[in-house]
Formats: sequence, structure tokens, C-alpha cells
Amino acid sequence: AQSVTQLGSHVSVSEGALVLLRCNYSSSVPPYLFWYVQYPNQGLQLLLKYTSAATLVKGINGFEAEFKKSETSFHLTKPSAHMSDAAEYFCAVSDRGGATNKLIFGTGTLLAVQP
Amino acid sequence: DADVTQTPRNRITKTGKRIMLECSQTKGHDRMYWYRQDPGLGLRLIYYSFDVKDINKGEISDGYSVSRQAQAKFSLSLESAIPNQTALYFCATGPQGSNNEQFFGPGTRLTVL
Repeated sequence: AQSVTQLGSHVSVSEGALVLLRCNYSSSVPPYLFWYVQYPNQGLQLLLKYTSAATLVKGINGFEAEFKKSETSFHLTKPSAHMSDAAEYFCAVSDRGGATNKLIFGTGTLLAVQP
Repeated sequence: DADVTQTPRNRITKTGKRIMLECSQTKGHDRMYWYRQDPGLGLRLIYYSFDVKDINKGEISDGYSVSRQAQAKFSLSLESAIPNQTALYFCATGPQGSNNEQFFGPGTRLTVL
């Protein structure tokens, strides 16, 4: 069965510092991987997705993530945090070629950005 | 206009009441999904539908039912609401044959007293 583990339910960084949010997945077949962001009182918005092209994926707002099969990881990074990055971030996995298109979500990481 | 809309955005109800949450989309997607979000648990799938004749249970369907009235509309019902159904509910859509990306509505915050 597929699963996603996000290490660290809360992460705090200073403005301008590196953002690193960790995601490890478990899947018996090559997966699709996603990062979504949820700003306060809003729905989920797609940041980026891995669908088997380049292993380094660039998303919106300066975020990127690298698919590492050997480590079963898909960590999200941003070189320099901005106050507006404060939000909750969810990693999700889905079966490639699966019939259901179901997404399995991690439990989320709440990012705080300190001035 | 938003591509995926949910009504109501907020609802407070009492134990035992029947309540319906509605979702509409203008994206033309075949697939629609209902999730609930609880603090520390992420999003969990309640039901999903591939078209108006296809309804499938997700991982936490007990206490819920759904109706796919049209390609664009997918409603979630709580037949007899209980306090542990207090949560944030999200509707999502996705195109058939895609890379499984889903597009989310703004959510409905439901409180059951």
C-alpha cells in the first residue's frame, strides 16, 4: 500500500533562510508525487508535481523538489524563505497508471517564517 | 470565478441532524472526490466518483453518503451528524487520464455540536 511520511509537523525558519520540508514515500510501483500548499482559510493549491520527467522539479513561488528513488524521498526546498511562505504544506503520492487517480496525503507540515 | 466551488463555506449543526455539502465544478473533469481534513491527520478520502454512474468508497466512508447529480456536481451527505464529524471538508476534481493531479475547492468548515 502507498503511504507518505512527512517528518516534522512544525518547521520554523527565519526570513531569508533555507526552507527544507521532508517527504518520504512508500509505493510498490513508480509513483506520481505532489506538493500542495494550504494558506490559512483556503483550499489546497498545487506547488509542483513529479511525473517521471526530470527528477528535479521546479514549482511556483520559487519552490523545487528532487525525486530520489534510492532514498524514496521527495523533499521540498526553497533557497530563501519569505513571510508569505507561511502555510501548511502537504506531500501526496499516487499510483502511476492506477485506475483510481487517488492521492494519498501526508499529515502536513506547518511552516512558520520568523521576521 | 472559481473552478471548484463548495457550499456552504461554514456550517454549524447539531448532533443527529442531516446535512448536505455541495460541490460544483466548471473544469469539465470526470473525476470528483470528497476529503476531510483533521489537524495532524492530513486529508483522508471519503468518496470518489469517476462519472455519474460510478461511486466508490474511500478510506473513511462510514457515516457519509454521496450523490453525483451531474458531471459537474457531487454532493456529500451526513445522514445523522455526530461531533467527531467536525472537520474541514474538501471537494476535488481531476481529469481522466491525467497524471492524477487534483484541483481543490475552498473547503467547508463543519461543526457538529
